[in-house]
Amino acid sequence: AQTVTQSQPEMSVQEAETVTLSCTYDTSENNYYLFWYKQPPSRQMILVIRQEAYKQQNATENRFSVNFQKAAKSFSLKISDSQLGDTAMYFCAFMGVTDKLIFGTGTRLQVFP
Amino acid sequence: EPEVTQTPSHQVTQMGQEVILRCVPISNHLYFYWYRQILGQKVEFLVSFYNNEISEKSEIFDDQFSVERPDGSNFTLKIRSTKLEDSAMYFCASSEALPHTEKLFFGSGTQLSVL
Repeated sequence: AQTVTQSQPEMSVQEAETVTLSCTYDTSENNYYLFWYKQPPSRQMILVIRQEAYKQQNATENRFSVNFQKAAKSFSLKISDSQLGDTAMYFCAFMGVTDKLIFGTGTRLQVFP
Repeated sequence: EPEVTQTPSHQVTQMGQEVILRCVPISNHLYFYWYRQILGQKVEFLVSFYNNEISEKSEIFDDQFSVERPDGSNFTLKIRSTKLEDSAMYFCASSEALPHTEKLFFGSGTQLSVL
């Protein structure tokens, strides 16, 4: 069975600085997809970034980028130039051959002014 | 951007009562999902629905749960006899194609409180 592990329950960063959130996963599948979702206090789940496992190039979306290390089964999220609005819970998620998402336990990120 | 709409935003019920959580997916979407999140815990998959039938369900989704797409626009989750441990935020999600290739849109959730 697939598992997703986020080892940092809480992180904090000062506005305009860079922060990296860690995620590791376990799977025996070769083709899969990885996601980072943001959950602000409103509790809506918002897709931040997606990575296809067959792509070697790391995904980027504006200030958000990932470091995908397939052999190490690691998928970290880097947030550059952190903004107060980035304060949220961040969930790493895995999707394999089925279309269900398997989420990690989340990392609570606090951005300080 | 289009939205998945969930109603009500908060539902309170007595243990043993039936509840129906409602969702209006985005109009051209074909794949529908329910997830739940117990307070302070991770989001868990409940069920996926495509072509008017369940395509996959989790162990959580037992006989007390059912889903329907009664009129081509709404997508409902029914819990027949609620338990205290059903208290959670329930998220509906939809996508135009399989979420490997198309973005999965989540609703804002229904907070279910079972007393």
